[in-house]
Amino acid sequence: EVQLVESGGGLVKPGGSLRLSCAASGFTFSNAWMNWVRQAPGKGLEWVGRIKTKADGGTIDYAAPVKGRFTISRDDSKNMLYLQMNSLRTEDTAVYYCTILLDWGQGALVTVSS
Amino acid sequence: SYELTQPPSVSVSPGQTARITCSGDALPKRYAHWYQQKPGQAPVMVIYKDNERPSGIPERFSGSSSGTTVTLTISAVRAEDEGDFYCHSADSTGSYWVFGGGTKLTVL
Repeated sequence: EVQLVESGGGLVKPGGSLRLSCAASGFTFSNAWMNWVRQAPGKGLEWVGRIKTKADGGTIDYAAPVKGRFTISRDDSKNMLYLQMNSLRTEDTAVYYCTILLDWGQGALVTVSS
Repeated sequence: SYELTQPPSVSVSPGQTARITCSGDALPKRYAHWYQQKPGQAPVMVIYKDNERPSGIPERFSGSSSGTTVTLTISAVRAEDEGDFYCHSADSTGSYWVFGGGTKLTVL
């Protein structure tokens, strides 16, 4: 059974930083393109970015609103996905999900507020 | 930037058929997927690659594609089918994921 478990969410002030983690199990993590998707309160789904497998070059793509502020990385030895978020803004407040398209984690809430 | 367009809401009576559309210029070249989301829960995929149904999804859920529009059809709608439905695809390069704005399905 595929499991994706996000952690690291919380309250942070504007301009601050936070790192989310996603622990994966139940599939061959090193073979999976991993994505982050977020959902602001009462709003729709918004893609944040994706990291490809090392075999596919490890390419990372980001959505325009987070490019230059967020960094996605992976540790295939630990089956872990990360999202480093810097220069956070109030509009980054959302539940952040890691997903491999078919399967999604339960999400981690990030609140950016002074 | 690339966008997928969905109607904000669809309402149907129990037992009827609900159809939710999603339009986007790249849809003739890119697969579309559909998710159902209930309050406080993560999205659940109900259709992938335009018309494939994941294991465990009832046969009442089906998908179709025609030109720049894809359609999610829910036959014999039940009260439990209420929720928000999102279409999902990629831009023409395949590099960027895009989600539709979501459609709230109400079972009257």
